[in-house]
Amino acid sequence: EPEVTQTPSHQVTQMGQEVILRCVPISNHLYFYWYRQILGQKVEFLVSFYNNEISEKSEIFDDQFSVERPDGSNFTLKIRSTKLEDSAMYFCASSVNRDPLGYTFGSGTRLTVV
Amino acid sequence: AQSVAQPEDQVNVAEGNPLTVKCTYSVSGNPYLFWYVQYPNRGLQFLLKYITGDNLVKGSYGFEAEFNKSQTSFHLKKPSALVSDSALYFCAVRDINNFNKFYFGSGTKLNVKP
Repeated sequence: EPEVTQTPSHQVTQMGQEVILRCVPISNHLYFYWYRQILGQKVEFLVSFYNNEISEKSEIFDDQFSVERPDGSNFTLKIRSTKLEDSAMYFCASSVNRDPLGYTFGSGTRLTVV
Repeated sequence: AQSVAQPEDQVNVAEGNPLTVKCTYSVSGNPYLFWYVQYPNRGLQFLLKYITGDNLVKGSYGFEAEFNKSQTSFHLKKPSALVSDSALYFCAVRDINNFNKFYFGSGTKLNVKP
């Protein structure tokens, strides 16, 4: 069964550093998403991406964050100047169309900012 | 605004006993409701959904959920729990204005003891 792959599984970074979280969506999927889950809290929507541009972003997704599809396979989330409160599990998801019934989530990247 | 609530942080049940994981929702209009499961070190996996039709929805791994409009609930159930069902369960509702976005509950940890 096709999977969404996220790397690394765990990343530790110092406050103020930049991190890039990587995702390889399912190959025929066209819509891409990032969600995050702060430990013990809800899974929250960050951003959706289609046709090489952001289609929607939440209030969490401020100028500190950016997304990119640098080639035909990767979908990245960049966090500039990380803060302690950015520590969370970040989930990538993809879908073939806008129907969320077709979402597939990755296994997540646990980001720890120290 | 759409939201879901999972009132229990943790549910403990003995193997072979029935299990219920509770979810209530708050939406304007007709809800599109989902259950996802997260096993350790794995991504969010789709279990089942309610869009319309029968109030009792059957999903993966023998799980089912009952949509109750009068009680605004969508509880997840299974007649006979397995130890392998131990995981984190999330209820979610789709944004009625944006098919791309989910609102997740805070999650319920299910512990099934042998």
